[in-house]
Amino acid sequence: SQTIHQWPATLVQPVGSPLSLECTVEGTSNPNLYWYRQAAGRGLQLLFYSVGIGQISSEVPQNLSASRPQDRQFILSSKKLLLSDSGFYLCASKSGVHEQFFGPGTRLTVL
Amino acid sequence: QKEVEQNSGPLSVPEGAIASLNCTYSDRVSQSFFWYRQYSGKSPELIMSIYSNGDKEDGRFTAQLNKASQYVSLLIRDSQPSDSATYLCAVMPYTGGFKTIFGAGTRLFVKA
Repeated sequence: SQTIHQWPATLVQPVGSPLSLECTVEGTSNPNLYWYRQAAGRGLQLLFYSVGIGQISSEVPQNLSASRPQDRQFILSSKKLLLSDSGFYLCASKSGVHEQFFGPGTRLTVL
Repeated sequence: QKEVEQNSGPLSVPEGAIASLNCTYSDRVSQSFFWYRQYSGKSPELIMSIYSNGDKEDGRFTAQLNKASQYVSLLIRDSQPSDSATYLCAVMPYTGGFKTIFGAGTRLFVKA
């Protein structure tokens, strides 16, 4: 079975600072990878998904970007954080045709 | 119009009772359906998958799917306080598709 790692687990950043969140997946190859954001008390918002190395699809226009430099590595970035970027960031992986599994998440607070 | 609808709750049930969580979806051709459990401050955890009409049982959990009526439900028998969480319904429009559509979740409280 696959294991999804995310780091850091928590992060406090000032407005205007850059961001880099990393997700790595073990136990599978060529997964579909996803970045979601969950605001406090809200549902999941799909931000980006990737079906392969270098292939990124953006769901919501905003100041975030994503990259997939390796098959099992997915990175979420921002050049300048906004207050509204605060939230719980979840990486997810889907191998095969069915279920999607989530990593432990990164809780980001922008002050 | 939301694609996957859930009652946000909270749904409160006494310990030992059956908790019934419901979900409707708008895309009639959807093929795969999932229930995730999310404890406060944690990431969602897959607890049930169902792909064909009828019931699927796994321990205290039973998922029910009715494609004609476009609803999927989750029953939790003998509810325990540890079942208190938010339950997310998720739908994959077609098998092998890239995206899974998530509902906003139903908060469940099981009172001891």
